[in-house]
This record gives sequence, structure tokens and C-alpha cells, in this order.
Amino acid sequence: NAGVTQTPKFRVLKTGQSMTLLCAQDMNHEYMYWYRQDPGMGLRLIHYSVGEGTTAKGEVPDGYNVSRLKKQNFLLGLESAAPSQTSVYFCASSPRGNAWAQYFGPGTRLTVT
Amino acid sequence: ELKVEQNPLFLSMQEGKNYTIYCNYSTTSDRLYWYRQDPGKSLESLFVLLSNGAVKQEGRLMASLDTKARLSTLHITAAVHDLSATYFCAVDPNYGQNFVFGPGTRLSVLP
Repeated sequence: NAGVTQTPKFRVLKTGQSMTLLCAQDMNHEYMYWYRQDPGMGLRLIHYSVGEGTTAKGEVPDGYNVSRLKKQNFLLGLESAAPSQTSVYFCASSPRGNAWAQYFGPGTRLTVT
Repeated sequence: ELKVEQNPLFLSMQEGKNYTIYCNYSTTSDRLYWYRQDPGKSLESLFVLLSNGAVKQEGRLMASLDTKARLSTLHITAAVHDLSATYFCAVDPNYGQNFVFGPGTRLSVLP
């Protein structure tokens, strides 16, 4: 039981490049989330999904796209990276409903130069 | 817009002392979460508070929720160095669809 895993752990991109971050969970959770964490700002929700095939925007969705083709995977895409997207990205999952805490992945440290 | 504030943002305390971290939020929510993050690591769930008046305790940490005051507290009793970390509170008024985190309280427990 690996919990929530994220790939890759580190990445450096040049401005304008694209990439996809992969989040996978093996707990059969319905809900999945992508956050970014910047110094002194806590975590901010980028996009979330309440089930396979459904996604929704969070607080800071601009510049990102997501897909949830399989229940266990949630992908975060950056089509044209910008330096403002330099951050640590966390994926999380939880069972249906908010009576449960979220389980977080280890994070992906992304630097855009 | 939902805002979540934490006070203090930085806390340095000596081992053996007691202290409280406060979490205020700006809109109605009967669910509140506390997480811990060690430097360079991911977040770990500490408490899930599901109703007004809820109180939960684990070791030297105790969390409570007052939904009428829109306030949660995280009380630290007889702090030890191992409690040094950043503590986040989060609320979700939309039932699993929009978690909003506070900025975090960075706690340092000095010997």
C-alpha cells in the first residue's frame, strides 16, 4: 500500500516548456486534489476531482489543466510554463465527503527558469 | 471569499512550556482540519474536527472547534523538540470540494 505517489519529485523547466505531473493513489479514494505551496502562503488549491472523469477549478487554476481518466490517477499539466509557476506541488486524495482528512503525496519541486 | 488566518505565524518556545495556536476563518464551516508539515516533507493529518464543540487530543496536542466563533485552537502541552514543525489549519465549507488552508504556524521548540 503505497498511499499517494507523485512523479517526478524534481523538475527544472525553461519558460514556455510543457510538462505533466502524475499523481497516483491506491486507496480507492473518490476525491483527488492538486495544490501548490509557496513560501509563507500555505497551500492553494489548483484543481480537484470528485470522481473519475470529472474535474473542477480551485482557487488558482490559471495556467494549469488536469485530467482524471482513471480513478487512481490525477494528472496536472502545464502547457506553457512560466517562472510564476515555480513552486512545490502536492497531490492529495480523500474518500468521498469531507469527514475525512486528506492524504498527501510527497510533493514535486518545480523550478521554471 | 473564504479566508483562513493563523496566529501566530512564528512561534519559538522552550521545552516544557504550554502554548496555543489560533485559527480563524471567515465563513461558516462545521469542519476543520489540522495538519503538520516537517521541513522539506509532505503534510500529515493531525485532527479532523467535525462539529461545534469538538475536541480531540493526541499526545501533547489538543484541538478544539467553535463554529459559532469561527475559531479553532491547537493547544500544545509541555512542548518537546519533536513538535517543531509547521502547523496548518484548513476549512472546507463545500463538503470535500474546496479546502482552504491557513498560512501555517512555524513552531520551534528550543531545549
